[in-house]
Amino acid sequence: SSELTQDPAVSVALGQTVRITCQGDSLRSYYASWYQQKPGQAPILVFYARNNRPSGIPDRFSGSSSGNTASLTITGAQAEDEADYYCNSRDSSGNHLVFGGGTKLTVL
Amino acid sequence: QVQLQESGPGLVKPSQTLSLTCTVSGGSISSGGYYWSWIRQHPGKGLEWIGYIDYTGSTYYNPSLKSRVTISVDTSKNQFSLKLSSMTAADTAVYYCARTNLISGTTSYFDYWGQGTLVTVSS
Repeated sequence: SSELTQDPAVSVALGQTVRITCQGDSLRSYYASWYQQKPGQAPILVFYARNNRPSGIPDRFSGSSSGNTASLTITGAQAEDEADYYCNSRDSSGNHLVFGGGTKLTVL
Repeated sequence: QVQLQESGPGLVKPSQTLSLTCTVSGGSISSGGYYWSWIRQHPGKGLEWIGYIDYTGSTYYNPSLKSRVTISVDTSKNQFSLKLSSMTAADTAVYYCARTNLISGTTSYFDYWGQGTLVTVSS
């Protein structure tokens, strides 16, 4: 079982805002990173740490954290944002890395 | 631009040891500052971190796989490798290699990934 918990599926209307969450005790101490994965493709990094978006990632992707919950927000979701999203962070020991179970985002 | 490429057999027999190699281009493993991870994804399932290594050979492994995993590095070839012993059907997965950033004790992320290689365990 994962130490990071994500909702299995979330949907959003085209152009609306959606928040994907990741919960875990280790998030009180460590930042999360977020990955987008489309079918048949490798994951890509879309956001990490307090406020870091890799080059080439649209600014509609943002992240935040409060207590034991990290969030990835997509403001004005586009059809191409339909994908699986995974969070990652360190586990409670701090020595190992762990992924959330993933959230399937559907853009309606 | 850093690129990673996995290579190895696509089919492994039960009880055998899987050996995969990740070749890094566009950057040198020996320059330090990064860790190098193996990650896998069972068919239709989520991502699972297997372990990582740095350029000195220091390793950390997923506790659930630690007894079967060995990750090594060959800086002369700019490669790092995964060995997973006692393979079973449950190890059938896409295996990815990824560059790993561990910063300030609180931040971690994978910024470059290989395309992944499907490994099937079957007799």
